[in-house]
Amino acid sequence: QVQLVQSGAEVKKPGSSVRISCKASGVTFSSYTITWVRQAPGQGLEWLGGIVPFFGTANYAQKFQGRVTITADTSTSTAYMELSRLTSDDMAVYYCAGRYCSGSNCYYYYYMDAWGTGTTVTVSS
Amino acid sequence: QSALTQPASVSGSPGQSITISCTGTNSDIGGYNLVSWYQQHPGKAPKVMIYEVNKRPSGVSNRFSGSKSGNTASLTISGLQTEDEADYYCCSYAGVTTFVVFGGGTKLTVL
Repeated sequence: QVQLVQSGAEVKKPGSSVRISCKASGVTFSSYTITWVRQAPGQGLEWLGGIVPFFGTANYAQKFQGRVTITADTSTSTAYMELSRLTSDDMAVYYCAGRYCSGSNCYYYYYMDAWGTGTTVTVSS
Repeated sequence: QSALTQPASVSGSPGQSITISCTGTNSDIGGYNLVSWYQQHPGKAPKVMIYEVNKRPSGVSNRFSGSKSGNTASLTISGLQTEDEADYYCCSYAGVTTFVVFGGGTKLTVL
């Protein structure tokens, strides 16, 4: 049974950074692709980026280029998402999500069949 | 403003069928057969209902079906049930620069 367990809620000050972890269990992490999506209160889903742990390559939404960093540690089956220069617009629930993949379809981040527990990020001075 | 356009809300009665549209461009929906649909209940994580335009993951009811024509994808739910009441999001692959675009979401009310 696939489980993606995320780190707990965060309260951050404007201008600071937040790092969220996503630990996968019940999966062969080297055959997995991970994506990060956020949802502001009362709003829709927004894609931040994704990573294919086997290749170690990350891809980012243009909106967040230079502000988001996604990494993965295959030894612990854990993915990380760090977002810097936080503002009140970054207040949201952040989800990791994933699925098994192979080859180039690993970059088709549009389809994820397992979702994390969600991490609420609050930005307040 | 979302890249894909969905109606803000739709409604139907139990047993009826409804269709949610999702309109994009040649750079996303129209360019690839890589459209997915997610169902999200309040306070819960999204759940994929359709991928690759019309494929259902294991465990998803066959009351859910997907289709695409040109730059518009559609999700049809037949035999509406009260538990179908949720928000629905379309999503599309959008090439090697943009990767992913979402619709703004549609609130389904089962009357």
